[in-house]
Amino acid sequence: AQRVTQPEKLLSVFKGAPVELKCNYSYSGSPELFWYVQYSRQRLQLLLRHISRESIKGFTADLNKGETSFHLKKPFAQEEDSAMYYCALSGAGRRALTFGSGTRLQVQP
Amino acid sequence: GAVVSQHPSWVICKSGTSVKIECRSLDFQATTMFWYRQFPKQSLMLMATSNEGSKATYEQGVEKDKFLINHASLTLSTLTVTSAHPEDSSFYICSARDPARAEGNEQFFGPGTRLTVL
Repeated sequence: AQRVTQPEKLLSVFKGAPVELKCNYSYSGSPELFWYVQYSRQRLQLLLRHISRESIKGFTADLNKGETSFHLKKPFAQEEDSAMYYCALSGAGRRALTFGSGTRLQVQP
Repeated sequence: GAVVSQHPSWVICKSGTSVKIECRSLDFQATTMFWYRQFPKQSLMLMATSNEGSKATYEQGVEKDKFLINHASLTLSTLTVTSAHPEDSSFYICSARDPARAEGNEQFFGPGTRLTVL
């Protein structure tokens, strides 16, 4: 079975502070990992995925297979980063996503 | 590109009635769509995978006779909640994968439909 764990329901930081949203997964094969973001009153949208190894809006995430983690990081948080962040996993041959419980990021001025 | 719409955005119905929710891919063809359910302050839970031209694949614990899924075209999937009861009240979200995009398994999400059963 595949599982995604986001241990923090809420993460509150001040503007300019570093941010790390934790995500751990459980999957026996080679997963595909994603971070989705949901801004207030907007639909869920893709932030980044591990296969692209890209930085979006200053966020990065590295897949650590040894620790089965895919933590989302940003060196300097901005107020507009305040949103709900979901880590998600897609297993080989299974296109549906398994979501973590989500972490609400609050960036205070 | 890759926009997914849902209709209606919200619906209120009486207990025992059926409600149909539509999910459309507006600018791409989606052979596969997914239906999720989200309870307040909880995460998205996959209900079923909708396959164009064939039967949907339901997740364990999801009643296929209660949540009827039809994917009759490459741009439309419908979810019908039959004989709805208050416990079916939830936020229903669909997503679709654009097979023309070769990069991984990115899914595009609809805005969701809030169902309230009185």
